Amino acid sequence: AQKVTQAQTEISVVEKEDVTLDCVYETRDTTYYLFWYKQPPSGELVFLIRRNSFDEQNEISGRYSWNFQKSTSSFNFTITASQVVDSAVYFCALSEGSNAGNNRKLIWGLGTSLAVNP
Amino acid sequence: EPEVTQTPSHQVTQMGQEVILRCVPISNHLYFYWYRQILGQKVEFLVSFYNNEISEKSEIFDDQFSVERPDGSNFTLKIRSTKLEDSAMYFCASSTTANSGNTIYFGEGSWLTVV
Repeated sequence: AQKVTQAQTEISVVEKEDVTLDCVYETRDTTYYLFWYKQPPSGELVFLIRRNSFDEQNEISGRYSWNFQKSTSSFNFTITASQVVDSAVYFCALSEGSNAGNNRKLIWGLGTSLAVNP
Repeated sequence: EPEVTQTPSHQVTQMGQEVILRCVPISNHLYFYWYRQILGQKVEFLVSFYNNEISEKSEIFDDQFSVERPDGSNFTLKIRSTKLEDSAMYFCASSTTANSGNTIYFGEGSWLTVV
């Protein structure tokens, strides 16, 4: 069965600290996709990144970086030099490749609430 | 940048009343979705829609729910007789294809409060 686990419910850091949000997934498929979304206090879901199961290269986008490790089924997200505007709930999600075609849905983790304090 | 838009942003309704949540997906997208998020809980899939019919629905999407694409731009979610437990944020989303690697873009959500 597919499952996404975000073990950290809440994290609080001081501005400029680095912070890593953990995501562990379960799937039987060899082809799958992983996503991170940000949900700021205003409530919308903002797409951050997509990674497919065949690409284990780490990715960096500004202060954001992602570490995908198939061996441990993890897709962790690091924010470097955190800022107050990074305060949000961050969701990790999984989509399985075997459901290509019309039947595609995202399986979500419970989210990690990040508070960055000045 | 194109975006998914949803109305209303917040609606309060009495239990038993019908509610229609409206969405305008991104214009060149072909696949549409509704998700919901009960306060403090995870985001849950409700339904996907393509070519004017439901592609997949979850166990949450029972007979009280329906979706429709009444014209070329709108995508609606109707709840026929609302219950207290329907109180949640409802997200509309769209994607260009249903390929599982394709990104789903979400609207800002419609917060439904059933009293």
